[in-house]
Amino acid sequence: AQKITQTQPGMFVQEKEAVTLDCTYDTSDPSYGLFWYKQPSSGEMIFLIYQGSYDQQNATEGRYSLNFQKARKSANLVISASQLGDSAMYFCAMREGRGFQKLVFGTGTRLLVSP
Amino acid sequence: DAGVIQSPRHEVTEMGQEVTLRCKPISGHDYLFWYRQTMMRGLELLIYFNNNVPIDDSGMPEDRFSAKMPNASFSTLKIQPSEPRDSAVYFCASSSPPWGGNTGELFFGEGSRLTVL
Repeated sequence: AQKITQTQPGMFVQEKEAVTLDCTYDTSDPSYGLFWYKQPSSGEMIFLIYQGSYDQQNATEGRYSLNFQKARKSANLVISASQLGDSAMYFCAMREGRGFQKLVFGTGTRLLVSP
Repeated sequence: DAGVIQSPRHEVTEMGQEVTLRCKPISGHDYLFWYRQTMMRGLELLIYFNNNVPIDDSGMPEDRFSAKMPNASFSTLKIQPSEPRDSAVYFCASSSPPWGGNTGELFFGEGSRLTVL
């Protein structure tokens, strides 16, 4: 079974609009962490935002926020006021367990921001 | 502060040749990861180390792949013999443990793009 599911292969958004990238996860462990990374066309992996399973509030980092719905096991990334530079692949990832474990990545969503 | 450094950035080789990819993690990070990225399989974890000790190598595809971490500042991923299906981008990443205020996020190198002809 997939641990991380990103159902949107591609998304389009106009500049200055908000966009939501979907991520659902599967775990039976009560302790886990969720991450989003951005991969522009240049190829590097850039960490964007983190949400811990015990965090009471949704994580925010600048224009990025994470819509964490624990009961639904979803951790959607919201990008507000999209910019042309936001065009990239976006990956959701999960770490399970209290001890340090590996990050498992989803298949990614390609976001294209148009002028 | 320097990030994760990988070399070479690009490698083109012929089937059957040995390939060695290198990684220098961020100083002070206890964990080092090797990932492979392909269009077909996405980002796959190959192996990770904690304090230079391999913890999980279940993602290493087969015996042709081996990884070492002789000290805290250096790791290698070796493929011998290489095959065309090994063509991919290989990422090295490092991190601190996810406690003491750290999220445990991975800091990635720029990747090594391997092409096996």
